[in-house]
Amino acid sequence: AQKVTQAQTEISVVEKEDVTLDCVYETRDTTYYLFWYKQPPSGELVFLIRRNSFDEQNEISGRYSWNFQKSTSSFNFTITASQVVDSAVYFCALSEPQGGSEKLVFGKGTKLTVNP
Amino acid sequence: DSGVTQTPKHLITATGQRVTLRCSPRSGDLSVYWYQQSLDQGLQFLIQYYNGEERAKGNILERFSAQQFPDLHSELNLSSLELGDSALYFCASSVASSGVTDTQYFGPGTRLTVL
Repeated sequence: AQKVTQAQTEISVVEKEDVTLDCVYETRDTTYYLFWYKQPPSGELVFLIRRNSFDEQNEISGRYSWNFQKSTSSFNFTITASQVVDSAVYFCALSEPQGGSEKLVFGKGTKLTVNP
Repeated sequence: DSGVTQTPKHLITATGQRVTLRCSPRSGDLSVYWYQQSLDQGLQFLIQYYNGEERAKGNILERFSAQQFPDLHSELNLSSLELGDSALYFCASSVASSGVTDTQYFGPGTRLTVL
């Protein structure tokens, strides 16, 4: 069964610190997709990244980077030089499309607070 | 702006009532998904439609139903509402190619409060 665990419920950092949000997933499929979404205080869900199970290259987008490790079933997200605007709840999600649906299974989320 | 629209933004109603939430997907997207976000259950998948047909069901109560119309907009109907149905309801859309999970873009959500 699909499962996503975000063990860190809340993280608080000071501006300019680097922070890593952990995501561990469980799946029986060889084909799957992993996602990160950001939910700022305004409430919308903002797409950050999509990664398929066959692409283990790490990705960097500005201050954001993602580390995908199949060996440990982890897909961690790092924000470098955090800013107050990064304060939000971050969700990791998993999808197994071979099961007949592209539905997302979400983790419980990590609330990040960046203090000035 | 994700391109997915949801109406209304807020809905306040009483127990036992029925409401309809509406979603318009991004242009070109054939699949619509509904998710419920509550404090105790987190973000949970409810139901998926693809080009007018139901594709998958998640933890959707029998009191809830949905449909996708020929113009691809979707409606989620919630009936016999209970206090526990208070939540943020999201619609998402994607291209939904077979065997591939394309990016799902989310609407702004409808916040339902049942009093």
